[in-house]
Amino acid sequence: DGGITQSPKYLFRKEGQNVTLSCEQNLNHDAMYWYRQDPGQGLRLIYYSQIVNDFQKGDIAEGYSVSREKKESFPLTVTSAQKNPTAFYLCASSIDLASGIQYEQFFGPGTRLTVL
Amino acid sequence: KNQVEQSPQSLIILEGKNCTLQCNYTVSPFSNLRWYKQDTGRGPVSLTIMTFSENTKSNGRYTATLDADTKQSSLHITASQLSDSASYICVVSEAGTALIFGKGTTLSVSS
Repeated sequence: DGGITQSPKYLFRKEGQNVTLSCEQNLNHDAMYWYRQDPGQGLRLIYYSQIVNDFQKGDIAEGYSVSREKKESFPLTVTSAQKNPTAFYLCASSIDLASGIQYEQFFGPGTRLTVL
Repeated sequence: KNQVEQSPQSLIILEGKNCTLQCNYTVSPFSNLRWYKQDTGRGPVSLTIMTFSENTKSNGRYTATLDADTKQSSLHITASQLSDSASYICVVSEAGTALIFGKGTTLSVSS
Protein backbone atom coordinates (compact mmCIF):
# COMPACT_ATOMS: atom_id res chain seq x y z
CA ASP A 1 0.00 0.00 0.00
CA GLY A 2 1.85 3.10 -1.24
CA GLY A 3 1.66 6.47 0.38
CA ILE A 4 2.97 8.94 2.91
CA THR A 5 2.75 8.32 6.62
CA GLN A 6 3.26 10.83 9.41
CA SER A 7 3.59 10.14 13.10
CA PRO A 8 2.44 10.82 15.63
CA LYS A 9 -1.00 12.12 14.71
CA TYR A 10 -1.10 14.30 17.85
CA LEU A 11 1.90 15.62 19.75
CA PHE A 12 2.10 17.67 22.91
CA ARG A 13 5.21 19.55 23.88
CA LYS A 14 6.24 21.60 26.86
CA GLU A 15 7.81 24.95 26.22
CA GLY A 16 11.56 24.68 25.78
CA GLN A 17 11.51 21.14 24.44
CA ASN A 18 12.58 19.98 21.01
CA VAL A 19 10.28 17.51 19.25
CA THR A 20 10.70 15.50 16.07
CA LEU A 21 7.90 14.76 13.62
CA SER A 22 8.24 11.70 11.42
CA CYS A 23 7.48 11.52 7.70
CA GLU A 24 7.96 8.37 5.63
CA GLN A 25 7.04 7.66 2.01
CA ASN A 26 7.18 4.49 -0.08
CA LEU A 27 6.33 6.18 -3.38
CA ASN A 28 9.98 6.25 -4.48
CA HIS A 29 9.76 10.04 -4.71
CA ASP A 30 12.93 12.09 -4.72
CA ALA A 31 11.43 15.34 -3.43
CA MET A 32 9.90 15.84 0.00
CA TYR A 33 8.43 18.89 1.71
CA TRP A 34 7.29 20.15 5.10
CA TYR A 35 4.44 22.63 5.44
CA ARG A 36 2.84 24.36 8.35
CA GLN A 37 -0.89 25.10 8.42
CA ASP A 38 -2.49 27.59 10.79
CA PRO A 39 -6.22 28.36 11.07
CA GLY A 40 -7.33 30.83 8.40
CA GLN A 41 -3.99 30.75 6.60
CA GLY A 42 -2.65 29.03 3.53
CA LEU A 43 0.02 26.36 3.80
CA ARG A 44 3.50 27.73 4.30
CA LEU A 45 6.67 25.93 3.23
CA ILE A 46 9.16 25.18 6.00
CA TYR A 47 11.82 23.04 4.29
CA TYR A 48 12.13 20.94 1.18
CA SER A 49 14.54 18.32 -0.09
CA GLN A 50 15.08 17.29 -3.67
CA ILE A 51 17.53 14.48 -3.00
CA VAL A 52 19.15 12.54 -0.18
CA ASN A 53 21.55 14.57 1.96
CA ASP A 54 20.30 17.84 0.47
CA PHE A 55 17.62 20.20 1.75
CA GLN A 56 16.71 23.85 1.39
CA LYS A 57 14.97 26.40 3.58
CA GLY A 58 11.47 27.41 2.68
CA ASP A 59 9.62 30.58 3.63
CA ILE A 60 9.46 29.98 7.39
CA ALA A 61 12.48 27.80 8.32
CA GLU A 62 13.49 29.66 11.49
CA GLY A 63 13.16 27.43 14.55
CA TYR A 64 12.99 24.22 12.52
CA SER A 65 15.56 21.70 11.32
CA VAL A 66 15.43 18.67 9.02
CA SER A 67 17.55 15.78 7.81
CA ARG A 68 17.39 13.57 4.74
CA GLU A 69 19.58 10.55 5.36
CA LYS A 70 17.30 8.16 3.47
CA LYS A 71 15.18 8.66 0.40
CA GLU A 72 12.10 7.43 2.24
CA SER A 73 12.41 9.61 5.34
CA PHE A 74 12.34 13.36 6.00
CA PRO A 75 11.95 14.09 9.74
CA LEU A 76 11.24 17.59 10.99
CA THR A 77 12.52 18.84 14.36
CA VAL A 78 10.69 21.72 15.98
CA THR A 79 13.22 23.39 18.24
CA SER A 80 12.74 25.56 21.29
CA ALA A 81 13.72 28.51 19.11
CA GLN A 82 10.36 28.29 17.30
CA LYS A 83 8.31 30.88 19.19
CA ASN A 84 4.84 29.76 18.13
CA PRO A 85 5.01 26.07 17.22
CA THR A 86 1.39 25.09 17.82
CA ALA A 87 0.09 24.19 14.35
CA PHE A 88 -0.85 21.40 11.96
CA TYR A 89 2.21 20.06 10.13
CA LEU A 90 1.95 18.44 6.74
CA CYS A 91 4.56 16.42 4.89
CA ALA A 92 4.38 16.00 1.11
CA SER A 93 6.35 14.35 -1.66
CA SER A 94 6.64 14.47 -5.43
CA ILE A 95 8.48 12.51 -8.09
CA ASP A 96 11.10 15.24 -8.19
CA LEU A 97 11.26 18.93 -7.42
CA ALA A 98 10.25 20.01 -10.90
CA SER A 99 7.29 17.62 -10.86
CA GLY A 100 6.20 19.01 -7.53
CA ILE A 101 5.99 22.45 -9.03
CA GLN A 102 4.77 21.43 -12.48
CA TYR A 103 2.50 18.54 -11.60
CA GLU A 104 1.51 17.25 -8.20
CA GLN A 105 2.53 16.87 -4.60
CA PHE A 106 1.05 14.11 -2.47
CA PHE A 107 0.34 14.92 1.15
CA GLY A 108 0.51 12.87 4.32
CA PRO A 109 -2.24 12.84 6.97
CA GLY A 110 -0.57 15.48 9.14
CA THR A 111 0.63 15.89 12.73
CA ARG A 112 -1.07 18.31 15.10
CA LEU A 113 1.47 19.80 17.50
CA THR A 114 0.32 21.57 20.64
CA VAL A 115 2.62 23.39 23.01
CA LEU A 116 1.44 23.27 26.61
CA LYS B 1 3.29 40.12 -4.88
CA ASN B 2 2.03 36.70 -5.90
CA GLN B 3 -1.27 35.97 -4.20
CA VAL B 4 -4.16 33.54 -4.32
CA GLU B 5 -7.50 34.77 -3.00
CA GLN B 6 -10.44 32.45 -2.38
CA SER B 7 -14.07 33.25 -1.80
CA PRO B 8 -16.24 32.82 0.05
CA GLN B 9 -14.32 32.07 3.23
CA SER B 10 -17.06 29.67 4.30
CA LEU B 11 -20.27 28.32 2.85
CA ILE B 12 -23.21 26.30 4.13
CA ILE B 13 -25.49 24.47 1.71
CA LEU B 14 -28.18 21.81 1.86
CA GLU B 15 -27.45 18.29 0.72
CA GLY B 16 -28.24 17.84 -2.95
CA LYS B 17 -27.65 21.47 -3.89
CA ASN B 18 -24.93 22.76 -6.18
CA CYS B 19 -22.29 25.31 -5.22
CA THR B 20 -19.40 27.22 -6.76
CA LEU B 21 -16.18 28.26 -5.09
CA GLN B 22 -14.00 31.04 -6.48
CA CYS B 23 -10.25 31.53 -6.77
CA ASN B 24 -8.52 34.68 -8.06
CA TYR B 25 -4.77 34.85 -8.43
CA THR B 26 -2.03 37.29 -9.32
CA VAL B 27 0.73 34.70 -9.74
CA SER B 28 3.07 35.29 -12.68
CA PRO B 29 4.52 33.53 -14.54
CA PHE B 30 1.75 30.97 -14.28
CA SER B 31 2.30 27.23 -14.66
CA ASN B 32 -0.79 25.45 -13.38
CA LEU B 33 -3.67 25.70 -10.95
CA ARG B 34 -4.77 22.96 -8.60
CA TRP B 35 -7.76 22.37 -6.39
CA TYR B 36 -7.33 20.26 -3.28
CA LYS B 37 -9.93 18.90 -0.87
CA GLN B 38 -8.91 18.74 2.78
CA ASP B 39 -11.05 16.94 5.32
CA THR B 40 -10.77 18.17 8.89
CA GLY B 41 -7.58 16.91 10.51
CA ARG B 42 -6.36 15.24 7.30
CA GLY B 43 -3.94 16.06 4.51
CA PRO B 44 -5.10 17.68 1.26
CA VAL B 45 -6.10 15.42 -1.62
CA SER B 46 -5.85 16.58 -5.23
CA LEU B 47 -9.07 17.10 -7.16
CA THR B 48 -7.90 18.70 -10.41
CA ILE B 49 -4.80 20.21 -12.01
CA MET B 50 -5.14 22.59 -14.96
CA THR B 51 -2.48 24.14 -17.15
CA PHE B 52 -2.66 27.41 -19.04
CA SER B 53 -4.33 25.86 -22.07
CA GLU B 54 -7.09 24.02 -20.19
CA ASN B 55 -10.43 25.72 -19.56
CA THR B 56 -12.32 22.95 -17.81
CA LYS B 57 -11.50 19.74 -16.00
CA SER B 58 -13.85 17.39 -14.20
CA ASN B 59 -13.43 14.80 -11.49
CA GLY B 60 -16.76 13.14 -10.82
CA ARG B 61 -19.10 15.74 -9.33
CA TYR B 62 -16.29 18.31 -9.19
CA THR B 63 -15.72 20.60 -12.19
CA ALA B 64 -12.98 23.20 -12.23
CA THR B 65 -12.79 26.05 -14.73
CA LEU B 66 -9.87 28.32 -15.53
CA ASP B 67 -9.75 31.69 -17.26
CA ALA B 68 -6.06 32.48 -17.60
CA ASP B 69 -6.81 35.87 -19.12
CA THR B 70 -8.71 37.13 -16.09
CA LYS B 71 -6.71 34.92 -13.69
CA GLN B 72 -9.81 33.35 -12.22
CA SER B 73 -10.80 29.80 -11.45
CA SER B 74 -13.90 28.21 -10.03
CA LEU B 75 -14.74 24.84 -8.54
CA HIS B 76 -18.32 23.70 -9.08
CA ILE B 77 -19.73 20.91 -6.95
CA THR B 78 -22.84 19.21 -8.28
CA ALA B 79 -25.48 17.46 -6.18
CA SER B 80 -23.56 17.96 -2.94
CA GLN B 81 -23.23 15.16 -0.40
CA LEU B 82 -22.49 15.25 3.31
CA SER B 83 -19.02 13.90 2.53
CA ASP B 84 -18.27 17.05 0.56
CA SER B 85 -17.99 18.94 3.84
CA ALA B 86 -14.34 19.97 3.86
CA SER B 87 -11.95 22.79 3.13
CA TYR B 88 -11.19 23.40 -0.56
CA ILE B 89 -7.80 24.87 -1.31
CA CYS B 90 -6.76 26.59 -4.53
CA VAL B 91 -3.03 26.34 -5.30
CA VAL B 92 -1.25 28.15 -8.11
CA SER B 93 2.14 27.10 -9.41
CA GLU B 94 4.58 29.88 -10.18
CA ALA B 95 6.40 28.48 -13.18
CA GLY B 96 9.45 26.54 -12.10
CA THR B 97 9.63 28.21 -8.73
CA ALA B 98 7.02 27.70 -6.06
CA LEU B 99 3.47 26.87 -5.09
CA ILE B 100 1.24 29.66 -3.80
CA PHE B 101 -1.57 28.40 -1.54
CA GLY B 102 -4.92 30.06 -0.97
CA LYS B 103 -6.44 30.13 2.51
CA GLY B 104 -9.24 27.81 1.49
CA THR B 105 -13.03 27.82 1.51
CA THR B 106 -14.75 25.81 4.22
CA LEU B 107 -17.82 24.05 2.89
CA SER B 108 -20.46 22.60 5.20
CA VAL B 109 -23.16 20.40 3.69
CA SER B 110 -26.15 19.84 5.94
CA SER B 111 -29.02 17.36 5.67
